Amino acid sequence: DVKVTQSSRYLVKRTGEKVFLECVQDMDHENMFWYRQDPGLGLRLIYFSYDVKMKEKGDIPEGYSVSREKKERFSLILESASTNQTSMYLCASRATHRQEAFFGQGTRLTVV
Amino acid sequence: QKEVEQNSGPLSVPEGAIASLNCTYSDRGSQSFFWYRQYSGKSPELIMSIYSNGDKEDGRFTAQLNKASQYVSLLIRDSQPSDSATYLCAVKGAGSYQLTFGKGTKLSVIP
Repeated sequence: DVKVTQSSRYLVKRTGEKVFLECVQDMDHENMFWYRQDPGLGLRLIYFSYDVKMKEKGDIPEGYSVSREKKERFSLILESASTNQTSMYLCASRATHRQEAFFGQGTRLTVV
Repeated sequence: QKEVEQNSGPLSVPEGAIASLNCTYSDRGSQSFFWYRQYSGKSPELIMSIYSNGDKEDGRFTAQLNKASQYVSLLIRDSQPSDSATYLCAVKGAGSYQLTFGKGTKLSVIP
């Protein structure tokens, strides 16, 4: 079974803090993704990576950055957290030769 | 902008009935289609994938694809209260890395 693990299930941070969300997958997938999910807006792609050290902007990259130093790990960074970044963050991974993507359990981030 | 459209619901069906969930997509070059189930507060779970026109059955679930009409659907037979969840339609274009998701349809199965 594919296992995608996000470092925290719930997180509360203060405005202006630097926040790191970590995601690890154990299936040697080349592609990894960060989405955020908000009521009424659905799943929106923030960034994705198709290989180590490679990254591409998604639909809503503003206020975020990412890091992929190892194949199994993809980090999402909020440089200076703001209240409008309060959301459910979902990491996903996919093998290049397969079509299906698999999600981690999600991190519910609250910025106060 | 590639779009995936779903009725938000809620769709209410009685236990034992067939639930029919629909999805349309804008990118005619799309090649891979998925249905994810998401329980409240949980992450999406892949339940069906379909790549060619026609029907694909897996247990109580049947996915249907019509590329000419840019339409994909999910039928759930013998609906159970445990099927109550939000169902997300996702589409992947040829040569694309990522999936584009609809906003989901909330299904309620009434005992």
